Amino acid sequence: RKEVEQDPGPFNVPEGATVAFNCTYSNSASQSFFWYRQDCRKEPKLLMSVYSSGNEDGRFTAQLNRASQYISLLIRDSKLSDSATYLCVVPFSGGYNKLIFGAGTRLAVHP
Amino acid sequence: DGGITQSPKYLFRKEGQNVTLSCEQNLNHDAMYWYRQDPGQGLRLIYYSQIVNDFQKGDIAEGYSVSREKKESFPLTVTSAQKNPTAFYLCASSIRPTNNYGYTFGSGTRLTVV
Repeated sequence: RKEVEQDPGPFNVPEGATVAFNCTYSNSASQSFFWYRQDCRKEPKLLMSVYSSGNEDGRFTAQLNRASQYISLLIRDSKLSDSATYLCVVPFSGGYNKLIFGAGTRLAVHP
Repeated sequence: DGGITQSPKYLFRKEGQNVTLSCEQNLNHDAMYWYRQDPGQGLRLIYYSQIVNDFQKGDIAEGYSVSREKKESFPLTVTSAQKNPTAFYLCASSIRPTNNYGYTFGSGTRLTVV
């Protein structure tokens, strides 16, 4: 099993829609997780950190299911500006202060 | 403002040339990382450094070299041994423990072989 796996998408949704992405991870000892956003030809930027069961920031909600080893990102009331690739990130199972990035899920929000 | 700076933004390399990508941070972060991203692909780790004068190979270190002589600087050299160097290179830094805080990325260097 890969350390982190994501559905590559693309997810094509209209403005105002609610969309959810899932991410599965293999390291059951992981305590913290991250969602990054990457715009086309730009660097990834931290969107949310998830340390316990979940986190909410405005229209964005991240949830963690430790038993099933998956993390989800929910975006409500999608905006055109939400169009980007969303990267799921988990700590490397071997320690060393290193993170493992998923390949990303692409979101396209249309008018 | 604190941040992480990569230069140049675009770089063109001739066959057989070595080139060095710069990465400087003023965030007082201990750990620094180099990633490569190919079109439509995820990030792959090239090298990382937890402290000054120490660094480890990542998943795709062949054809690359690094140094960490100063806490603020972590330059990456793409050598002629790297057969397919055209890619987007991203430098990142983090405060330790990384697992709690995540990475801050530079804006990247786009390298093209001509």
